Amino acid sequence: AQKITQTQPGMFVQEKEAVTLDCTYDTSDQSYGLFWYKQPSSGEMIFLIYQGSYDEQNATEGRYSLNFQKARKSANLVISASQLGDSAMYFCAMSPPDENAGNMLTFGGGTRLMVKP
Amino acid sequence: EAGVAQSPRYKIIEKRQSVAFWCNPISGHATLYWYQQILGQGPKLLIQFQNNGVVDDSQLPKDRFSAERLKGVDSTLKIQPAKLEDSAVYLCASSFGRHNEQFFGPGTRLTVL
Repeated sequence: AQKITQTQPGMFVQEKEAVTLDCTYDTSDQSYGLFWYKQPSSGEMIFLIYQGSYDEQNATEGRYSLNFQKARKSANLVISASQLGDSAMYFCAMSPPDENAGNMLTFGGGTRLMVKP
Repeated sequence: EAGVAQSPRYKIIEKRQSVAFWCNPISGHATLYWYQQILGQGPKLLIQFQNNGVVDDSQLPKDRFSAERLKGVDSTLKIQPAKLEDSAVYLCASSFGRHNEQFFGPGTRLTVL
C-alpha cells in the first residue's frame, strides 16, 4: 500500500520569497510517480509537476521544482518567488506509473500555503 | 481545449435521498476517475474507468454508490440512499498523458442534511 504524508498543515511565506512544502511517502513499489497539485479556493485541482522514481534529474516547471530524495523517500515542492496567487492548498500524490492506463493517485492530507503581501 | 466538466456544482439533499453527478472528460481521454474529498482531507479515489470498463472500484461503497461510463465518454456517479457522512466534494478527473497527468473538473459540493 502507498502512503503520503504532508506534515505541514499550514504555512506562511512572504511575497517574492521561496518556500518548500514537505512530502514524504511510503511504498514497496520499485517504480512509481510523484505529483504535486494545487487546489485554490475555487476547488479545482491543478497539476503542477511530476517526478518519476527513475528520473535522475529533479523535475522543474517554471517557478516549481521538486526536490526528490529517493533514499529518504521525500519529494518536497519548492516554489520560488512566491506570488499572492500561490495562496492555496497543495497536495502531494503518488501512483505507480503506467503509460497504457491511468492509475489511482494516493493523496496526502495537504498543506495550506498563505502568501503575505 | 475544454477542460473536465461537472454538474451540478452544488447539491443539497436530505439523508436517505438519492443524488447523481455528471462528468464529461476531456475529449480523447480514455481514463476517468471519481474522487471523494471530505473537508480538510486529500481526495480519495472511488472508482477508475478505462474507456467504459471499470479498472478499480475497491474503495467504492457499493451498497450505496454506483457509477457508470456508457460509451466510454460521459460518466455518472450515484448515491442512493445518501448518508450524512457523504457530505463532500466529488471530483471527476481524466487522463491521457505520458505521465498519467490527471486533469480535474471543478467538483460537485454535496451537502447531506
